[in-house]
Amino acid sequence: GAGVSQSPSNKVTEKGKDVELRCDPISGHTALYWYRQRLGQGLEFLIYFQGNSAPDKSGLPSDRFSAERTGESVSTLTIQRTQQEDSAVYLCASSLASDIAGTQYFGPGTRLLVL
Amino acid sequence: GNSVTQMEGPVTLSEEAFLTINCTYTATGYPSLFWYVQYPGEGLQLLLKATKADDKGSNKGFEATYRKETTSFHLEKGSVQVSDSAVYFCAHTGGSYIPTFGRGTSLIVHP
Repeated sequence: GAGVSQSPSNKVTEKGKDVELRCDPISGHTALYWYRQRLGQGLEFLIYFQGNSAPDKSGLPSDRFSAERTGESVSTLTIQRTQQEDSAVYLCASSLASDIAGTQYFGPGTRLLVL
Repeated sequence: GNSVTQMEGPVTLSEEAFLTINCTYTATGYPSLFWYVQYPGEGLQLLLKATKADDKGSNKGFEATYRKETTSFHLEKGSVQVSDSAVYFCAHTGGSYIPTFGRGTSLIVHP
């Protein structure tokens, strides 16, 4: 079956512009996560959605970052007024609510470069 | 609090060598433990997992055993291949719905 997909795969933007990143989770996966991975670094949690519950936004680094998800489908991560330090790979992952272990299924990521 | 500590890389090996990547964790409750692998230019993918003490996860020749007494989940492979070159992440889901990941260990395998 289809895995987690993300678009665009690469994005180059100028400092100060807004960008929107998209994630399509695996069908039926109610949980969705966004992470940031800077070059050579580990994963930095950004935001978590579970079904129709209020999202956990505790990892968002500033108010320039926001994310939305409609029901249990697509999610978009928006970065306003991008800065050079926002350059990173943005990874999306989804998981099944019934999987007590919490196995995550990752998309290929969006590589963002802010010039 | 929750944490995962992995050995720092890069780990550089010759083909057919034995691999160990150490991972220790702190967590509340009874976490599930994972190893994820990230090949160059790709997202993470699940390599193996274990959900309770003394369980052994295995996949593609890799193994890791859930050791509750030492809070460890070391990754091993008896004979690595060039194609195993990647970054390996240890993680757990314990005490929170937000997984805790280690910083990753880069493995480089030379022919």
